[in-house]
Amino acid sequence: DVKVTQSSRYLVKRTGEKVFLECVQDMDHENMFWYRQDPGLGLRLIYFSYDVKMKEKGDIPEGYSVSREKKERFSLILESASTNQTSMYLCASSFYGQGSWPQHFGDGTRLSIL
Amino acid sequence: QQQVKQSPQSLIVQKGGISIINCAYENTAFDYFPWYQQFPGKGPALLIAIRPDVSEKKEGRFTISFNKSAKQFSLHIMDSQPGDSATYFCAASTGANNLFFGTGTRLTVIP
Repeated sequence: DVKVTQSSRYLVKRTGEKVFLECVQDMDHENMFWYRQDPGLGLRLIYFSYDVKMKEKGDIPEGYSVSREKKERFSLILESASTNQTSMYLCASSFYGQGSWPQHFGDGTRLSIL
Repeated sequence: QQQVKQSPQSLIVQKGGISIINCAYENTAFDYFPWYQQFPGKGPALLIAIRPDVSEKKEGRFTISFNKSAKQFSLHIMDSQPGDSATYFCAASTGANNLFFGTGTRLTVIP
């Protein structure tokens, strides 16, 4: 079974802090994704990466950055956390290539910015 | 702008009934339409998916109906069970690997 592991289930941080969310997958997937999930808005893509050191902006990249130094690990960084970044953050991974491959999700990190 | 529009936002169905969730899209380049199921405290998990070259796909009690000309697709859950209570997301992609999600439907199946 594919396993996508997010380092924290719950996280509480203060406004202005630099926040790191970590995600690790064990299926040698090329693609990795970061989404945020908010009630009534569904899942919105923040950033994705199709290879080590590669990154692409999603729909809502403002206020976020990412890092992918190893294939299995994808980090989301909130450079200076703000209260409007309080949300559920979901990491996903999938194969890359011809055709469409299912995305496999972690169980999320619920982040509160005070 | 929401690329995939999903309705209803919430749905209550009696056990044994049929649950129907609808989605619509505008981008005719979309060529992959998955449905994800999410239980509280868990990430979404792929339930069933369809490509636009077929009009229907069935897996057990779950069926996707696809209407290419209307740019709509729907999820039907037959004989709905309390264990089906979850949030369901439709999605679409162009095969470029990133998905556009609907806003979700919270399904409650009453025993």
